[in-house]
Amino acid sequence: GQQLNQSPQSMFIQEGEDVSMNCTSSSIFNTWLWYKQDPGEGPVLLIALYKAGELTSNGRLTAQFGITRKDSFLNISASIPSDVGIYFCAGATGNQFYFGTGTSLTVIP
Amino acid sequence: SAVISQKPSRDICQRGTSLTIQCQVDSQVTMMFWYRQQPGQSLTLIATANQGSEATYESGFVIDKFPISRPNLTFSTLTVSNMSPEDSSIYLCSAEGQGAYNEQFFGPGTRLTVL
Repeated sequence: GQQLNQSPQSMFIQEGEDVSMNCTSSSIFNTWLWYKQDPGEGPVLLIALYKAGELTSNGRLTAQFGITRKDSFLNISASIPSDVGIYFCAGATGNQFYFGTGTSLTVIP
Repeated sequence: SAVISQKPSRDICQRGTSLTIQCQVDSQVTMMFWYRQQPGQSLTLIATANQGSEATYESGFVIDKFPISRPNLTFSTLTVSNMSPEDSSIYLCSAEGQGAYNEQFFGPGTRLTVL
């Protein structure tokens, strides 16, 4: 199936720094989702976006649904060590879900 | 949201045997999904399981190798049949949230090692 292009593939940042990652697709989606996966766990839904242009926050996380409906980004402000993990985007249309390739985040204390 | 549990959480199996993974959802859901995830990789959809109908398999996955049951709206099983070392992976089940919006909620995964 289709996989979404997610960048960067990995990030190493200092604690306190802001983080930005994005996801692009050649297809239009009705929903964009962002997940975080810790080692040995399943992905956990962080933010769901339902409308083009929508900007949604969840604590220090902010995500936007791109105007073209083909992209989305996730920002994490003032990173902390527990932000470490792999972040996945997902685009959905109807019952079809497509996942990004993942961004591995390492936060250096 | 939906809370999803999976059993077993991990297993080590011998080549040629089969393993059935169970997935339980705390609420009734229409659609459930089974994914495979290699370490450090993204999620690959195996099949979609709707209650009362045959599972729909993605390209590269077949029912004989990955039979799925969906006996009711809160439960599903995935069997990995005639296992080989190449089947070593994390297997995740998920369920689509109720309501008008598309969201998926995941179980904790089953880590399978085939010797």
